[in-house]
Amino acid sequence: SAVISQKPSRDICQRGTSLTIQCQVDSQVTMMFWYRQQPGQSLTLIATANQGSEATYESGFVIDKFPISRPNLTFSTLTVSNMSPEDSSIYLCSVSPGSTTYEQYFGPGTRLTVT
Amino acid sequence: GENVEQHPSTLSVQEGDSAVIKCTYSDSASNYFPWYKQELGKRPQLIIDIRSNVGEKKDQRIAVTLNKTAKHFSLHITETQPEDSAVYFCAASSSGGSYIPTFGRGTSLIVHP
Repeated sequence: SAVISQKPSRDICQRGTSLTIQCQVDSQVTMMFWYRQQPGQSLTLIATANQGSEATYESGFVIDKFPISRPNLTFSTLTVSNMSPEDSSIYLCSVSPGSTTYEQYFGPGTRLTVT
Repeated sequence: GENVEQHPSTLSVQEGDSAVIKCTYSDSASNYFPWYKQELGKRPQLIIDIRSNVGEKKDQRIAVTLNKTAKHFSLHITETQPEDSAVYFCAASSSGGSYIPTFGRGTSLIVHP
């Protein structure tokens, strides 16, 4: 499976600021996703990062709050904008190698604390 | 859309016992059912999956069964060990849903030595 890295691994941020999380894969992948996992909770899909076009957001998530870039087949960024303490969570990227492939593999996650 | 229910939320067993985690799904079009293990502070890891054309799949001490008629699938862990302690998530997906999984709420498995 692909090797996935995320930066930063953790951060503590002040409310009102923004943080950009990077996800890098060691091979080209068709699908990249961004998830949020709040403490003790399941995985919630934020959006699908589409290469060369705007991301596809799930209900409850908007581009102004979570802008996403996907400039190529190995890299994506998620920005958490105008942060509040409610944004404190773990943010995970995941990849699926092919467009008709079900398997998803997760990055190590970014633990964000907003004070 | 798809809805996945997972039970129990917490499961406590003695080392060597078996553990069973059950999930139900709502969308009859779902045809891929992965299971993820997430250890504390780590990423979810895909441990086993099953597709709708088979009823059971085994990999050493873990197995997954699928009943498409009843729309439920289960994870079975035999001879549990302390290192099996983790949160386990089931999920369901379909090609009609762009292969994006819907996750269950998770089961915290605790294996006591």
